Amino acid sequence: DTAVSQTPKYLVTQMGNDKSIKCEQNLGHDTMYWYKQDSKKFLKIMFSYNNKELIINETVPNRFSPKSPDKAHLNLHINSLELGDSAVYFCASSQEGLGRREQFFGPGTRLTVL
Amino acid sequence: DQQVKQNSPSLSVQEGRISILNCDYTNSMFDYFLWYKKYPAEGPTFLISISSIKDKNEDGRFTVFLNKSAKHLSLHIVPSQPGDSAVYFCAASAGNTGKLIFGQGTTLQVKP
Repeated sequence: DTAVSQTPKYLVTQMGNDKSIKCEQNLGHDTMYWYKQDSKKFLKIMFSYNNKELIINETVPNRFSPKSPDKAHLNLHINSLELGDSAVYFCASSQEGLGRREQFFGPGTRLTVL
Repeated sequence: DQQVKQNSPSLSVQEGRISILNCDYTNSMFDYFLWYKKYPAEGPTFLISISSIKDKNEDGRFTVFLNKSAKHLSLHIVPSQPGDSAVYFCAASAGNTGKLIFGQGTTLQVKP
C-alpha cells in the first residue's frame, strides 16, 4: 500500500514527443506537487495543486501542463519534449494542519529524452 | 540564487560515531525547516523538521539544531549506522505556501 505512487518509473522517448506521468496518493492529502531533479541533483518545485486548484506555478515552460482530476491524482503532461527535459520528476503530497509542512514523495520518474 | 545551501557534497563517518550535516540559508522569511533522506532510485523520505520558534528538535537518533541568527541548521545522527548511508537534503519554507526550497544534498557514507 504505497502512499504516493508514480507511473511510469522510467520513460525514454524521442525529442518532440508528448508524454504523461501519473501520480496518485492514498494519504487523503489535500495538496499535491510536482518537483524536478535535474542533472545537478537540485530538487525544484514546478507546480502544486490544492483540492484540484492550481496554487503554485513556478517558471516552467508552457509545454508542461499539470492536470488534477481529483484531489488524489495529479498528472503531468509534457508536450514537444526537449533534451533539457531529461530529469527525474517527483510527485509529492501534503496535508496542512497542526503547523506541520512535511511533504511525502513518490519514487520518481526518470525521463530520458533522446 | 541558491537560498538553501549544503556546502559539503559528501561526508564519511565510522559506524557508531556522530554524523553532522550542515545547511545554511539566506532568506530570513523561512520559518520551517526539514531534513529528507534519499536512497538511490527512491523518492526523498521525510526525517525530521523544526519550526523557527524552536532551536532544537529530537527524534530518536536524529536531532536538528537551528541557529536563526547565523541562518544555519544542522542534523546530528548519533550513533551513525551503515543503513544511514544516503543523500540528505535540507529544505526550507516560508509561511504556508507549500513551497519547499531544497539544498543540493550531502552524501553520507557510514563505514562499518
